[in-house]
Amino acid sequence: GQQVMQIPQYQHVQEGEDFTTYCNSSTTLSNIQWYKQRPGGHPVFLIQLVKSGEVKKQKRLTFQFGEAKKNSSLHITATQTTDVGTYFCADNTGTASKLTFGTGTRLQVTL
Amino acid sequence: DTAVSQTPKYLVTQMGNDKSIKCEQNLGHDTMYWYKQDSKKFLKIMFSYNNKELIINETVPNRFSPKSPDKAHLNLHINSLELGDSAVYFCASSQDWPVLEAFFGQGTRLTVV
Repeated sequence: GQQVMQIPQYQHVQEGEDFTTYCNSSTTLSNIQWYKQRPGGHPVFLIQLVKSGEVKKQKRLTFQFGEAKKNSSLHITATQTTDVGTYFCADNTGTASKLTFGTGTRLQVTL
Repeated sequence: DTAVSQTPKYLVTQMGNDKSIKCEQNLGHDTMYWYKQDSKKFLKIMFSYNNKELIINETVPNRFSPKSPDKAHLNLHINSLELGDSAVYFCASSQDWPVLEAFFGQGTRLTVV
């Protein structure tokens, strides 16, 4: 079955450094979503990408969908301690009622 | 008003017991889900329902039985609880189009002792 892998599993950065997480699929995705889960919290939707090569920005966050629609990335510029959490990509390719999450990247930010 | 609410937030119970987790959404969504998040933070889909109909059952043991009395509710009943069932269970809902944003409940931390 389809698998969506994320790398790295964990990253520890100092505040002000940049951070990137990558989401890779073995098959073509129809769309990709990104979620953030704070420690002790629940996943919260960030964005959805649909078009090949699409790039979207939300303040310090930049989301990209690969040209072949098999990978995606989330880049955070100048991390802050409020960025701490686990970032998940998710897709529902194949079945509208099945939202499958990637393995997640846990981000730790220290001063 | 909370969009997706699930109860209880914490559940500690002994092996062999039966327990239920309730979930309600007031967003008017057609699709609801149950996810299990283990200690490594993997979010694994268990079930999804669309308009009260079961769509996805991801090889979950039949000790787990979801029930959707109407499209705003999706409850999860677990029989004969085992130690390995300890996890955080999240309920979520989404619309089908155009943005498939899923809204999650606060989670239920289940501990089986």
